[in-house]
Amino acid sequence: LAKTTQPISMDSYEGQEVNITCSHNNIATNDYITWYQQFPSQGPRFIIQGYKTKVTNEVASLFIPADRKSSTLSLPRVSLSDTAVYYCLVGGLGVGTYKYIFGTGTRLKVLA
Amino acid sequence: DVKVTQSSRYLVKRTGEKVFLECVQDMDHENMFWYRQDPGLGLRLIYFSYDVKMKEKGDIPEGYSVSREKKERFSLILESASTNQTSMYLCASSSVAETGDSSQPQHFGDGTRLSIL
Repeated sequence: LAKTTQPISMDSYEGQEVNITCSHNNIATNDYITWYQQFPSQGPRFIIQGYKTKVTNEVASLFIPADRKSSTLSLPRVSLSDTAVYYCLVGGLGVGTYKYIFGTGTRLKVLA
Repeated sequence: DVKVTQSSRYLVKRTGEKVFLECVQDMDHENMFWYRQDPGLGLRLIYFSYDVKMKEKGDIPEGYSVSREKKERFSLILESASTNQTSMYLCASSSVAETGDSSQPQHFGDGTRLSIL
């Protein structure tokens, strides 16, 4: 199973770009990289997913280098409402198999 | 939009009781999951199910069982509750990709905060 390592916490200011890097040295060929956001008293919410290179959606970008041993979630121009815990997940599902490990996440605090 | 509904937001039970946590999803997803979340430990998988009546153990299945009699419903059962099962419990569901071996995002409920006294 691919274990992930993320910074425990980060602070940023409103309007800045935030990059959170996740290390996953033993990622397997079939594994995808998925990021979730969690607010207090809520379940995690899907942000973005990728397999290689770069993926962008309306809220974030995900950068994955060629060796796929790390990934970086980029949040453009954060606001106070982006204060949350961000989880990097590496794994996938086959029929009847489950390969996911949720780490302890990165607690992002956005300051005014 | 996918909705995963957990039957209770807060629940208080006593040690030794049999406890049922219910989860329902409305998107016809094949996969369903039960996690617990504890401070400093992140989310840990208890059980998952990839089809009706099918289940697989996760990382911490001891003291728990599950039931999936209908596709939309996945129940977590604490056979004899103990104080170390006090936690936040999260249910999730996901579809299966057309290719069959890729990762579909999981959709989570808002959790049940269970206290065992």
